[in-house]
Amino acid sequence: GAGVSQSPSNKVTEKGKDVELRCDPISGHTALYWYRQSLGQGLEFLIYFQGNSAPDKSGLPSDRFSAERTGGSVSTLTIQRTQQEDSAVYLCASSQAGDFGEKLFFGSGTQLSVL
Amino acid sequence: AQKVTQAQTEISVVEKEDVTLDCVYETRDTTYYLFWYKQPPSGELVFLIRRNSFDEQNEISGRYSWNFQKSTSSFNFTITASQVVDSAVYFCALTLMNTGFQKLVFGTGTRLLVSP
Repeated sequence: GAGVSQSPSNKVTEKGKDVELRCDPISGHTALYWYRQSLGQGLEFLIYFQGNSAPDKSGLPSDRFSAERTGGSVSTLTIQRTQQEDSAVYLCASSQAGDFGEKLFFGSGTQLSVL
Repeated sequence: AQKVTQAQTEISVVEKEDVTLDCVYETRDTTYYLFWYKQPPSGELVFLIRRNSFDEQNEISGRYSWNFQKSTSSFNFTITASQVVDSAVYFCALTLMNTGFQKLVFGTGTRLLVSP
């Protein structure tokens, strides 16, 4: 696609429910990243994919968080048993190869609100 | 651990004023990249510039310029003759080159408000 696409743009859920956030990166980009932006913690790294593999999951805050990427393209971030502290904007980014100096292309994010 | 500090939470200027956004970073590593990203109200972060630790040359791109000084661990960003369209949140970020991939540590951002 023309840019990184994320859906839904907004998600309101009740505490304890599971949610899935989707990211469709720029076609041909092998590297995909998830970041979280919250008022208290700022922008935080969550997970990095190179192709379908996730060499670094170190930023996932708990085992309630998981992510996968299929076909080297679309990625899904799943949060199980959501908590109020999970409320944040979840940003996805992609880059061509994952090199240090590459620019990342970000989506507009999914605003998650846990009531 | 790495840290990026943007001490200015919010700056307000009038159009055509020059404005400098400060960024100070901390790392014990000698190889790293620094970045600036712009986040307009639409939410997506937009890449502005990157600099690696081997290259201290300053850069100018139109009304934007960047001053990288390793001696003070700073990577400041200046907008000359600001415009209303420059209103956004600006983030400075750092990645080390020993992580195997680009793993950005962001500052807390500076909100720039440019009024007509």
